[in-house]
Amino acid sequence: NAGVTQTPKFQVLKTGQSMTLQCAQDMNHNSMYWYRQDPGMGLRLIYYSASEGTTDKGEVPNGYNVSRLNKREFSLRLESAAPSQTSVYFCASSLGATGANVLTFGAGSRLTVL
Amino acid sequence: QKEVEQNSGPLSVPEGAIASLNCTYSDRGSQSFFWYRQYSGKSPELIMSIYSNGDKEDGRFTAQLNKASQYVSLLIRDSQPSDSATYLCAVAGSSNTGKLIFGQGTTLQVKP
Repeated sequence: NAGVTQTPKFQVLKTGQSMTLQCAQDMNHNSMYWYRQDPGMGLRLIYYSASEGTTDKGEVPNGYNVSRLNKREFSLRLESAAPSQTSVYFCASSLGATGANVLTFGAGSRLTVL
Repeated sequence: QKEVEQNSGPLSVPEGAIASLNCTYSDRGSQSFFWYRQYSGKSPELIMSIYSNGDKEDGRFTAQLNKASQYVSLLIRDSQPSDSATYLCAVAGSSNTGKLIFGQGTTLQVKP
């Protein structure tokens, strides 16, 4: 049982390059999330998908796009990477979109933009 | 003002002591509150959830919630060096969308 799987684990980009972070969960969860974590900033929500077919902006959506490909997969795309997007990105999922549900996190993807 | 605030620390306690971690939040309509533990280089893992005013105990951990004061805390009794980590407070707001807002985390150091 893999839980939440993110790829890649590490990536180095040059400014202006694009890339997609992939996330898949095998727990039959309805809701999925993308967070970024910077030193001293905690986790900040980028985008989330309360259910298949819906996506919404979080706290820091600028410079990102997302796609909920199906119930299992939720991808995060950087169209033109900037050094300010250097961060650790975490994908998470939960059973449903109610506040009582617990998030399960992936292992994280460390992105460096030069 | 951040929606969820924590003292970033580090909080240093001797082994065997009680560690007290605090968190305040701004959305008065928030209903669900969580404490996650994150070891360096790892992903966050849930240690406690609390939904009602009062205390909730699970082993050495006690979560305390006071909605009137918009305050949630985590007590760790008999602290162990293995408890050394960053503790993240997370709050589900009143919008009922399931998204969690995290505080910046408190780093706890338990010294042998």
